Amino acid sequence: TQLLEQSPQFLSIQEGENLTVYCNSSSVFSSLQWYRQEPGEGPVLLVTVVTGGEVKKLKRLTFQFGDARKDSSLHITAAQPGDTGLYLCAGARGSARQLTFGSGTQLTVLP
Amino acid sequence: DVKVTQSSRYLVKRTGEKVFLECVQDMDHENMFWYRQDPGLGLRLIYFSYDVKMKEKGDIPEGYSVSREKKERFSLILESASTNQTSMYLCASKNRGQNTEAFFGQGTRLTVV
Repeated sequence: TQLLEQSPQFLSIQEGENLTVYCNSSSVFSSLQWYRQEPGEGPVLLVTVVTGGEVKKLKRLTFQFGDARKDSSLHITAAQPGDTGLYLCAGARGSARQLTFGSGTQLTVLP
Repeated sequence: DVKVTQSSRYLVKRTGEKVFLECVQDMDHENMFWYRQDPGLGLRLIYFSYDVKMKEKGDIPEGYSVSREKKERFSLILESASTNQTSMYLCASKNRGQNTEAFFGQGTRLTVV
């Protein structure tokens, strides 16, 4: 059982559409991070959210941390083919030394 | 430019072999991690280390061990490789603190035949 569950697992959309990816847990996290991974590469950090209810924007990407700090969402507006990749959420737990990743959402944006 | 380097991109080993995966970081980070990545399962933590000679088990440590003799190097050891250990292995390092960024290597795709 994954500590962090992501949905959907796969998403294929047309260029210009909007989408939302979810990251849910029954545990409270002090912060959540979102990473994007492209084929043949390691994940790269997009954003860190720390405060419950926090919203951060990165160009067309909007990240939100749930009020109870158990969940997070990533919304992409007007998706582009360059957004294609595996999106992973990650949370610090325990002594904050561990970094636990979600199951991932594979996004494909078709031109 | 910060860098995490894994020794091999692709590796093919036979069942029962002892396998060493090496990872080196040049950022003086305290924390280092080994994950395996399988389709639909995201990244699962095998082991991590928060200091030289210190290690803690992650979520799936069975069949693996690790070594951290120097701060910049973290090795993953498969004592007796099995076919169910065929996977992508990713090494990461991060600085101390909950909100710091994890930097990843490019991964080692290990096939056990």
